[in-house]
Amino acid sequence: QKEVEQNSGPLSVPEGAIASLNCTYSDRGSQSFFWYRQYSGKSPELIMFIYSNGDKEDGRFTAQLNKASQYVSLLIRDSQPSDSATYLCAVTPLPYGNKLVFGAGTILRVKS
Amino acid sequence: DGGITQSPKYLFRKEGQNVTLSCEQNLNHDAMYWYRQDPGQGLRLIYYSQIVNDFQKGDIAEGYSVSREKKESFPLTVTSAQKNPTAFYLCASSPPPSGGGRDTQYFGPGTRLTVL
Repeated sequence: QKEVEQNSGPLSVPEGAIASLNCTYSDRGSQSFFWYRQYSGKSPELIMFIYSNGDKEDGRFTAQLNKASQYVSLLIRDSQPSDSATYLCAVTPLPYGNKLVFGAGTILRVKS
Repeated sequence: DGGITQSPKYLFRKEGQNVTLSCEQNLNHDAMYWYRQDPGQGLRLIYYSQIVNDFQKGDIAEGYSVSREKKESFPLTVTSAQKNPTAFYLCASSPPPSGGGRDTQYFGPGTRLTVL
């Protein structure tokens, strides 16, 4: 079983819609959760991090964490063509472990 | 400008050669990491270092070596023992936990290595 799983996509949404990206993880002791955006040929860029159950909002982005169900999601409101990228979910398996485990990423395509 | 730099951006190597990838940061971060990314896959941890003169193997350390003689620098050597070295190599660094954003890692621009 993979430690961090994401649907590879591509997920296609029309411009202006809400894109919903999901991620599940296997280590119940995981403490820190991250979403990175990666454009083709570029390095990952941190979008958000979340540590506690519930929602965390930053501009058009909302991260949602449910530790009981072991999933974390990213919502992108008012999706723009510039949001088209691969979104990587990453998890720290141990408290303050300093090690991130990455999912393979979900390709998002926003069509104008 | 503060940040993480990696060089070169593209690197070509003949089979049997060792190559060294550079990673430098001026963010005053203690922890640094090396990852490799293959097409359609997530990042896999090669080595990491939490302080100067100390480093640990990650999940795929075989065929790689590192050094951490300075806080700012964490070079990665891809040796001839690495069976399939063609990949995108990413260096990252992480601020101390007290700096906010616990466990957060920031990435350099990457080096794309191709073995000919």
